Amino acid sequence: DIQMTQSPSPLSASVGDRVTITCRASQSIISYLNWYQQKPGKAPELLIYGASNLQSGVPSRFSGSGSGTDFTLTIRSLRPEDSATYYCQQSYTPPFTFGPGTKVDIK
Amino acid sequence: EAQLVESGGGLVQPGGSLKISCAASGLTFTDFAMHWVRQASGKGLEWVGHIRTKPNNYATVYAASVKGRFTISRDDSKNTAYLQMNSLKNEDTAVYYCARRRGNHLDLWGRGTLVSVSS
Repeated sequence: DIQMTQSPSPLSASVGDRVTITCRASQSIISYLNWYQQKPGKAPELLIYGASNLQSGVPSRFSGSGSGTDFTLTIRSLRPEDSATYYCQQSYTPPFTFGPGTKVDIK
Repeated sequence: EAQLVESGGGLVQPGGSLKISCAASGLTFTDFAMHWVRQASGKGLEWVGHIRTKPNNYATVYAASVKGRFTISRDDSKNTAYLQMNSLKNEDTAVYYCARRRGNHLDLWGRGTLVSVSS
């Protein structure tokens, strides 16, 4: 199975900060990497798919990059409503494993 | 508006069985593979398994943690996917989400149903 790791966790940042979350796969997953945002008590929501494609309706301050084994999610200018846990997931081969999550807190 | 609604969660004893449902509306259900993902309280997301579409022979794949105990099925005439859970263990306690797979990502999720395994 492909193992997914994320860093840092947790992460504390101020409104307006640029935030970067890293996700690493245990083997190459090409660009089959998705990012989800989950707020407390809510279902996850898709942010980025295929490593760098912004899901419809997601604010443009979110962006993704990477390929192979190393990926990043960037929030260009952190807003209070971005306080959430962010998960990466590989969709290269089943089981479609998730990373452990990165909780982003607003200072 | 496309929507997924899970139902059927509840309290079950260890060793027991439960079948939960995921009803789809506002979408062409037959076009999409359906996934199940669970989340124990305070923990991360765990992929459980999926069922593909009729052209793909309704193929299923499961996580190792549930293989042999859980079965995913679907009834396209009812726009519903199911998760049959047998030989339940305490560690299966979680909120169970269904999600639609579009391309290679899960773009639509239900709100989840809570399954509690306890004596």
